[in-house]
Amino acid sequence: GAVVSQHPSRVICKSGTSVKIECRSLDFQATTMFWYRQFPKQSLMLMATSNEGSKATYEQGVEKDKFLINHASLTLSTLTVTSAHPEDSSFYICSAQNPGQGTNSPLHFGNGTRLTVT
Amino acid sequence: AQSVAQPEDQVNVAEGNPLTVKCTYSVSGNPYLFWYVQYPNRGLQFLLKYITGDNLVKGSYGFEAEFNKSQTSFHLKKPSALVSDSALYFCAVRDQAGTALIFGKGTTLSVSS
Repeated sequence: GAVVSQHPSRVICKSGTSVKIECRSLDFQATTMFWYRQFPKQSLMLMATSNEGSKATYEQGVEKDKFLINHASLTLSTLTVTSAHPEDSSFYICSAQNPGQGTNSPLHFGNGTRLTVT
Repeated sequence: AQSVAQPEDQVNVAEGNPLTVKCTYSVSGNPYLFWYVQYPNRGLQFLLKYITGDNLVKGSYGFEAEFNKSQTSFHLKKPSALVSDSALYFCAVRDQAGTALIFGKGTTLSVSS
């Protein structure tokens, strides 16, 4: 089966610092990965689509200079929260689709990263 | 634009009873529908999907869902609930293969013993 690994699972940082979250597809190559944000007791909001070798596509209202996405290889996408503030505290989840399972296959999700900015 | 509605924030059932978690959707083309489950502080686990074919889809852990085109619904069901089914359930839709999923707000299922 397809596995998506996300690291770290939890991170606490001080306001003004930057935090990098990694998302890896462990047994397949993902040309596209998706980053979601989940607020407490709320749904997942799509933040951006990460495309290998090109710029990410951000959803409306998501600051691309705040949430930097890099997809430098077919198995790794990173989300960097720059100059983090307490309002950036949230649960961030990445996902990817295994192209070997067909275009209608489900997305596979990482276990998420709980970011707390103090 | 695509959207998903889960009208219930919480569903409570007794162990052994059947459960239903409701979902309705709106897409401009053919819908690709999914159900996921989330346990606390974890990512999402895939349960089942509807792409085409039989309206009744069977998935993991004894769950099934019925696609109803006229009612634009895709309700999740299970004949006999387990306490371990207690979790947060998300319905999701996409209208094109390979694109991101759009999620409903989620329904918390609580199964009491």
